[in-house]
Amino acid sequence: KAGVTQTPRYLIKTRGQQVTLSCSPISGHRSVSWYQQTPGQGLQFLFEYFSETQRNKGNFPGRFSGRQFSNSRSEMNVSTLELGDSALYLCASSNYRDRVEQETQYFGPGTRLLVL
Amino acid sequence: QKEVEQNSGPLSVPEGAIASLNCTYSDRGSQSFFWYRQYSGKSPELIMFIYSNGDKEDGRFTAQLNKASQYVSLLIRDSQPSDSATYLCAVNTNPPGGYQKVTFGIGTKLQVIP
Repeated sequence: KAGVTQTPRYLIKTRGQQVTLSCSPISGHRSVSWYQQTPGQGLQFLFEYFSETQRNKGNFPGRFSGRQFSNSRSEMNVSTLELGDSALYLCASSNYRDRVEQETQYFGPGTRLLVL
Repeated sequence: QKEVEQNSGPLSVPEGAIASLNCTYSDRGSQSFFWYRQYSGKSPELIMFIYSNGDKEDGRFTAQLNKASQYVSLLIRDSQPSDSATYLCAVNTNPPGGYQKVTFGIGTKLQVIP
């Protein structure tokens, strides 16, 4: 079974631009979560989508938004990029087969964003 | 106070020794506890989960949970250089009527010295 895929893998943008990142979960997984990882802050939760609905949201400004499509693929958008948005953005999917699967995050390889 | 706290390290141990990684959490309603391993340049992968107080062993790994002290730890016996990675503690909370929330610690960098 294919794992979580994320595109693009690397991205360079300038301040003020916007960016869209894409995530395809493991087949059959309906929950997709997004995280921002930086050396100083670690892995920080952005939001979670399940069946096209945002169920949870972290403490990030409104410039960060996302959506999920009917095939469970998800996109994350960051508008008006700031230097501090430079980070590794990780997507994770989970399955609702049982408790362990539901709570286990299967991570994609991430998109490394550099804002200049 | 951070919701999930870990010492960022690095924690250096000689090959063959026991590595002890610690994590504390603030939400007493937390119900599920996970340890993920992240190699440099890679994404996190699950290595252990624990739900009940006490110890849970899986090969060279032992997870320990003490809900009264809000403390979870990971022991790695017979540490190998291949265990050198960052270990992330994750805590899941399922609030009544709400949806699960996963919170990760900053991670502890482990270095196993040959």
